[in-house]
Amino acid sequence: RKEVEQDPGPFNVPEGATVAFNCTYSNSASQSFFWYRQDCRKEPKLLMSVYSSGNEDGRFTAQLNRASQYISLLIRDSKLSDSATYLCAVNDNNDMRFGAGTRLTVKP
Amino acid sequence: EAQVTQNPRYLITVTGKKLTVTCSQNMNHEYMSWYRQDPGLGLRQIYYSMNVEVTDKGDVPEGYKVSRKEKRNFPLILESPSPNQTSLYFCASRNSRNTIYFGEGSWLTVV
Repeated sequence: RKEVEQDPGPFNVPEGATVAFNCTYSNSASQSFFWYRQDCRKEPKLLMSVYSSGNEDGRFTAQLNRASQYISLLIRDSKLSDSATYLCAVNDNNDMRFGAGTRLTVKP
Repeated sequence: EAQVTQNPRYLITVTGKKLTVTCSQNMNHEYMSWYRQDPGLGLRQIYYSMNVEVTDKGDVPEGYKVSRKEKRNFPLILESPSPNQTSLYFCASRNSRNTIYFGEGSWLTVV
């Protein structure tokens, strides 16, 4: 079993849709969690950290479920510019592990 | 501007010809690392460094070397490149809040 797993997608959604991604992790002792966005042929960039209490940044909401060992990212009112690959990242003892990414395409 | 700079950005080389990919960060971060990204496999860590003169293997270190003689620089060395090292490589540094900053990536093809 991979240490960090994501559904690779692709997710194809219309503009304005709400879409959610999950990411599961295997190490129950993992300490911190993040979502990164990666545009085609570019470097990943931090989208948001994921806090235990859940956190929101505009149209984006991230949640952590430690009991079931997954994190989620919810995007509301999808925009064309949200089209990208979304990577989850999990920090285990200074070792940052990434999922393979979920590809999202938002269509007009 | 805070950044991680890596060079070259694109390289085609032949099997066995030693090459070095340079990486430099201007954020005074102690932690730096190298990843390779391959389709379906995501980002895999090659080597990381917690500080000057401290380096450790990541998940896929075979065929690579690194050095950390200065805080800002963390070069990746392929002593004898092979075709299975054809990949997209990212250098990264990390701050105290575990936010990772990636370089723009280096596309390497070994023929």
